[in-house]
Parts: sequence; C-alpha cells; structure tokens
Amino acid sequence: DAGVIQSPRHEVTEMGQEVTLRCKPISGHNSLFWYRQTMMRGLELLIYFNNNVPIDDSGMPEDRFSAKMPNASFSTLKIQPSEPRDSAVYFCASATSGVHEKLFFGSGTQLSVL
Amino acid sequence: SQQGEEDPQALSIQEGENATMNCSYKTSINNLQWYRQNSGRGLVHLILIRSNEREKHSGRLRVTLDTSKKSSSLLITASRAADTASYFCATGDGTGNQFYFGTGTSLTVIP
Repeated sequence: DAGVIQSPRHEVTEMGQEVTLRCKPISGHNSLFWYRQTMMRGLELLIYFNNNVPIDDSGMPEDRFSAKMPNASFSTLKIQPSEPRDSAVYFCASATSGVHEKLFFGSGTQLSVL
Repeated sequence: SQQGEEDPQALSIQEGENATMNCSYKTSINNLQWYRQNSGRGLVHLILIRSNEREKHSGRLRVTLDTSKKSSSLLITASRAADTASYFCATGDGTGNQFYFGTGTSLTVIP
C-alpha cells in the first residue's frame, strides 16, 4: 500500500496567487481529513469528509480556503488568494469510516507564501 | 479550542532513561490516541486507549487514561536515540468522527 499521497511536497508562491494542494487517500478509506500545522497553533483540523461529502468545515479559516473531494481517491485544498500567514505544513489524513481509530497521514505539503 | 495540551513542551533525556509525557483534553471522548512525528514527516499512529480503559501497553509504550481528570500519559521505557520525535495526543469528539490534536511534546533522546 502506497499510503496517503500528497503533492506537491513543497510549494513556494507569492502573495495573491492561487495554491492547490492535492491528496490521494488510501484505497478503501472513506474518511479524509485536512490539517494545518504551524508552530504557533499546532495541528488544526480544517475540514473532514466522509464518503466524499464535507461533514464539518468549521475549521476552515476563511472564505479564501476551499476543499473538494470529487471522488473517493482524490481531494484538493485550494487557497485563493494566498497570504503570508497561510504559510504552514498542510497534512491530509485518511481513515476507514465509522468510529475512526487510526488516522493515516501523508507526508504533508510545506507551503511558503512570500 | 477543542485541542488538548501536552506537557512538557520539550523533554531531553539520556538514552536508556524513561520518558513521560502528559496530555490534557477538554471534551468527552470515546478514545484517545497517541501519535509520533519525526521531523519533516507526517504523524504515525502509536497506540489507542478507549474511554473505559485505564492502562494499555504496547512494546515499550505504556499509556494511562484518567477520564475524571481528562488526562492521559505516555511512558516510553528504555528510550533510544531513534525515539527522538514529537509526540501528540489526539482525542475524538465523542462521535468518533473527528480528531483534535494537542500541541505536542518534543522529545530528544541523547545517545
């Protein structure tokens, strides 16, 4: 099993540009989570999908952030327009549905907004 | 915030010593999990303890849970340099659908 795959691993962009982060969950997992990690705020849950449907997006910081899961094997997190304070490591994690007892994390995308 | 908090924020010990880190949380839970994160990598699941359990072991790991105090501890015995990492506790929201992570303990094991 290839695990959760995130791309790109690193992204450097200028303020105002659109950024798209991608995630491929583990095959058979039907829950997907996006987290953001910073030194100041730790790991923040941004949004959670179950069976491709967004269940809770209350952690999405503002309207500049959007996430989609068009099918069971792909999800995107988009920031438009990006700002320097969005700089962080963004993680995607997947799990089997039901009572989630183990999250599998991708390696993350290190985003730097200049 | 629904996040838990780990204590201490940083811990430095000699190889062979035991490392203990603590986690406090705010909401009711159905389970609590501990994860490890090596520098520049994603988190890796270590162990899960259910709300009706008080202690659990896995290899060199020992986890305790006190739901009355909303706290948990992770003990790593006979630490090794390879245990150097950040350790996070994660609590479910009661529905088992979402997980909120603490701020993490950075552990350094000196060879």
